[in-house]
Parts: sequence; C-alpha cells; structure tokens
Amino acid sequence: GDSVTQMEGPVTLSEEAFLTINCTYTATGYPSLFWYVQYPGEGLQLLLKATKADDKGSNKGFEATYRKETTSFHLEKGSVQVSDSAVYFCALLSGGSYIPTFGRGTSLIVHP
Amino acid sequence: GAVVSQHPSWVICKSGTSVKIECRSLDFQATTMFWYRQFPKQSLMLMATSNEGSKATYEQGVEKDKFLINHASLTLSTLTVTSAHPEDSSFYICSASQGRNTGELFFGEGSRLTVL
Repeated sequence: GDSVTQMEGPVTLSEEAFLTINCTYTATGYPSLFWYVQYPGEGLQLLLKATKADDKGSNKGFEATYRKETTSFHLEKGSVQVSDSAVYFCALLSGGSYIPTFGRGTSLIVHP
Repeated sequence: GAVVSQHPSWVICKSGTSVKIECRSLDFQATTMFWYRQFPKQSLMLMATSNEGSKATYEQGVEKDKFLINHASLTLSTLTVTSAHPEDSSFYICSASQGRNTGELFFGEGSRLTVL
C-alpha cells in the first residue's frame, strides 16, 4: 500500500537558517504530492503541491520538487522565521483515489 | 481557497456524556468528508470517510457505535462521541474534498475534546 515517511522531529533551527525536511514515499503509479502545515492549535492547511515528476511546488518561500527517481518530495526554505514554527505533514494521493496518505508530521521550532 | 469550519473549537464534558462536533464546508459542496484524530505526538489517524447520503466508512479499529458520523447534506458532517471517556480526549479534525481530481483537502480548525 501507499506510505509516506518523514524525518523525525523536532527540527530546531535559529532564525534565518536553511531548512530541509525530508519526505519519501511508496505508491503505485504516479501520485500527487503535498505538504501541509499545522500551526499550533489549528487544523492543517495546504502549503504546496506537485502533481507530476519534476514539478516544483512553492509557496511562502517554501519549495519542494517531485523526484520520481528517488521517490522524494523534500521541503526546503532558504531562511526560516520564528513564524514558521509549526508541524509539517507530507502527503500523497494516488491516482483514482480520494483518500490521501499522510506522513507522521515533523515539528519545526525556530528560535529568534 | 475553500473554507471548512468546525464547531466547537473546544469542549469539556463529563465522562458518560455525548458530544457532537460539526464540520461545515462554507463555500463549496463536499461530497466526501474525512474525520481524523490527532494524538499528542502529532500523527493523524484517519477515523472514517463520510459520504453524503450514505453510511460512513470506518477505518479498522475505530468503533462505529462509539463515533457516530452523519453526513446529511453536501455541506455538513457531524461526529458524535457517545458516552465519552477520558481516553477519548483528543484533537479531532475534519477535512473535505471537492472531488477526486483535485487531490487537495481543506481542513477545519480542529476541535479539542477534554473528557473529565
């Protein structure tokens, strides 16, 4: 079955540091890939997505590239801010399905 | 983007009582809604998939008599935790899909349930 593996957190960084949160997946066919963000005490919201190989999703300074050859969708940001502190979820949706598969989430803590 | 609203955001109840959580899609029709439970170490557990006008599909290990789900209209799904106990205390999140092809889910704000 489909699965998503994320790096364990928490990831603790200083403000303006470079961020990478790793995400790899297992799926049949060619899934769509997503990153969701959950700020403290809130529900999840879509951060970015990519629907086919080599696509790059980007939003709010975050980027992730759909790498079919390595089955990865790593999240990156060049300079994090304290306000980026949140839990980040990688997810996939296989073609023909409407039930996404989520990773366990990675907590990011950014210190001033 | 599409908006999904949950109510209440916080609820505290006594053990043995039932609690209803509402999930509404405010600006689109959601044929499918999902209910998740989030545990303290942040992982999301899919509880059930709710389709308008039909019975919900529960994930393995989720008690359907304990967690009653109703999706009576294209904009409203409800989760009722019956005879709640302290171990049911958790963060419950709903989400809605606009259809199979979009892939994107729209999440509610979540509801924190505390059972005393």
